[in-house]
Amino acid sequence: ETGVTQTPRHLVMGMTNKKSLKCEQHLGHNAMYWYKQSAKKPLELMFVYNFKEQTENNSVPSRFSPECPNSSHLFLHLHTLQPEDSALYLCASSQAGANVLTFGAGSRLTVL
Amino acid sequence: GQQLNQSPQSMFIQEGEDVSMNCTSSSIFNTWLWYKQDPGEGPVLLIALYKAGELTSNGRLTAQFGITRKDSFLNISASIPSDVGIYFCAGPEETSGSRLTFGEGTQLTVNP
Repeated sequence: ETGVTQTPRHLVMGMTNKKSLKCEQHLGHNAMYWYKQSAKKPLELMFVYNFKEQTENNSVPSRFSPECPNSSHLFLHLHTLQPEDSALYLCASSQAGANVLTFGAGSRLTVL
Repeated sequence: GQQLNQSPQSMFIQEGEDVSMNCTSSSIFNTWLWYKQDPGEGPVLLIALYKAGELTSNGRLTAQFGITRKDSFLNISASIPSDVGIYFCAGPEETSGSRLTFGEGTQLTVNP
């Protein structure tokens, strides 16, 4: 595996479900990010982790809960989501403090 | 936060035509990044610009960092069908070198 890998690629869940998105990077980076991409809107930064520590939470609702057990893995735990949370969730990684991000292919989430 | 205005929002061109898109900001940027997102995939970095006035090419793609540091341009020459996708400009916010602001994207369609 190379680059940034995200699973699952597609997820459909009800509003009462609990699910998780997973991201793994094989680039030796030490910063990881979650972005939300909705139709016709700029990418929205959700969370930033540097060396496993959360350094940014962009006012994200608590129904999204990130977890970064090590510099190579990042999770986004989802619970009690709303239909408007349906979007493409992109994971990215970089060297800490660097501007250039490498993105995964994304997880397409649909909340019914 | 900073905002990036990207134009045009969409373009429909014939194969072989040249394409030009741009990005402007009300704030000064020290770095400009151009990404491309293929359908169903995550954004992939095309060109990174680090110096005002810099002109950088990547195959048929050429990008320029505006002299005022508030704008950037991306040109694609002799377009081909695989150029189809969404092109994003991005730059780091002033207060955080690792937090990128993204434009809304230019959707490019190339007709064979």
